[in-house]
Amino acid sequence: DIQMTQSPASLSASVGETVTITCGASENIYGALNWYQRKQGKSPQLLIYGATNLADGMSSRFSGSGSGRQYSLKISSLHPDDVATYYCQNVLSTPWTFGGGTKLEIK
Amino acid sequence: EVKLVESGGGLVQPGGSLRLSCATSGFTFTDYYMSWVRQPPGKALEWLGFIRNKAKGYTTEYSASVKGRFTIFRDNSQSILYLQMNTLRAEDSATYYCARDIYDGSSHWYFDVWGAGTTVTVSS
Repeated sequence: DIQMTQSPASLSASVGETVTITCGASENIYGALNWYQRKQGKSPQLLIYGATNLADGMSSRFSGSGSGRQYSLKISSLHPDDVATYYCQNVLSTPWTFGGGTKLEIK
Repeated sequence: EVKLVESGGGLVQPGGSLRLSCATSGFTFTDYYMSWVRQPPGKALEWLGFIRNKAKGYTTEYSASVKGRFTIFRDNSQSILYLQMNTLRAEDSATYYCARDIYDGSSHWYFDVWGAGTTVTVSS
């Protein structure tokens, strides 16, 4: 199975800042990487698919990058509404594994 | 509007069984793969498995953690997805979500719609 490792596990930043979450795969996943946002009490929501493609309806302040084994999610100009836990997901091959999550809080 | 609504969660004793349902609407159910994902309290998301669409013969795949204990099946006449869970353990306690799988034709797979989840507690 492909293991996904996210860092940091938690993050606190101020409104207006830019933050980056990273996700490492145990092997090359050739860009088969998704990011989901899960707000408290809500279901996860697709944020980025195919490593770099912004999902419909999601803010352009979110962007994804990376290749091979290393990927990143950048959130620009942080808003209070961005408070959530963010998960990466490998979709190269089953089992479709998730990272451990990054909990984002606002200072 | 695409909707997924899970039900069937509850309290069950270790070793017991439970069947979860995911009622779907707003799309042609047979065209899509459907997955089950769970999240134990305070832990990360875990994909449990999926059932393929009509074109792929409704075949299934599972994660190692549930293979042989859990079964995913679908009632295509009612557009309902099921998760049959047997020999339940305390570590199966979680919120269980169904999700619709999308393949966009460019090598991209993702879950575009999730249900609200149903909670399973395995405890004596």
